[in-house]
Amino acid sequence: GQNIDQPTEMTATEGAIVQINCTYQTSGFNGLFWYQQHAGEAPTFLSYNVLDGLEEKGRFSSFLSRSKGYSYLLLKELQMKDSASYLCAVRESGGATNKLIFGTGTLLAVQP
Amino acid sequence: EAQVTQNPRYLITVTGKKLTVTCSQNMNHEYMSWYRQDPGLGLRQIYYSMNVEVTDKGDVPEGYKVSRKEKRNFPLILESPSPNQTSLYFCASSLWAGNTGELFFGEGSRLTVL
Repeated sequence: GQNIDQPTEMTATEGAIVQINCTYQTSGFNGLFWYQQHAGEAPTFLSYNVLDGLEEKGRFSSFLSRSKGYSYLLLKELQMKDSASYLCAVRESGGATNKLIFGTGTLLAVQP
Repeated sequence: EAQVTQNPRYLITVTGKKLTVTCSQNMNHEYMSWYRQDPGLGLRQIYYSMNVEVTDKGDVPEGYKVSRKEKRNFPLILESPSPNQTSLYFCASSLWAGNTGELFFGEGSRLTVL
């Protein structure tokens, strides 16, 4: 079956570092995505991992371990505007379907 | 500006009254998809289209129809809406094959069926 797990909520302090974990069990794997979604808005793309290891993009980094079915999103130097929901999504197979299976999201609250 | 545009953004309707949510993208993307987002359930795919005249069911297609007569447009049709279709709907598009397949989302359409 398909299962993507991530914590429901997290709280962190402005300027700190936070790590949001995601574990997945899917029938196939062809990439893992992280999206950011502010309340009432559309999800926006943050990162993509298809091979094991760390991908860094500014204050955001994402890590993937395919053997463990595990990924994390690391946010550094947190800002108030980082308060949002973070969605982990897995693409099960290649080809044209480009179907993403989404987790339910982690709501991050950044406090002063 | 590259974007996915949905209309209407907000709609309140009554059970059984047919409605269409339009979706248009200006990025020449082959792939388009509709998702619904409900609390505690995340984003679930309703239908997708790999190109003009090619559509297929996602995970929750019941009660919905789609069409893809032009590359840029992918309307979602609710022939006879019911209260369980009250949700936040997102249209998304992407290039297919050969890149990350990053999905670009529209701003969402919040539908309430009374």
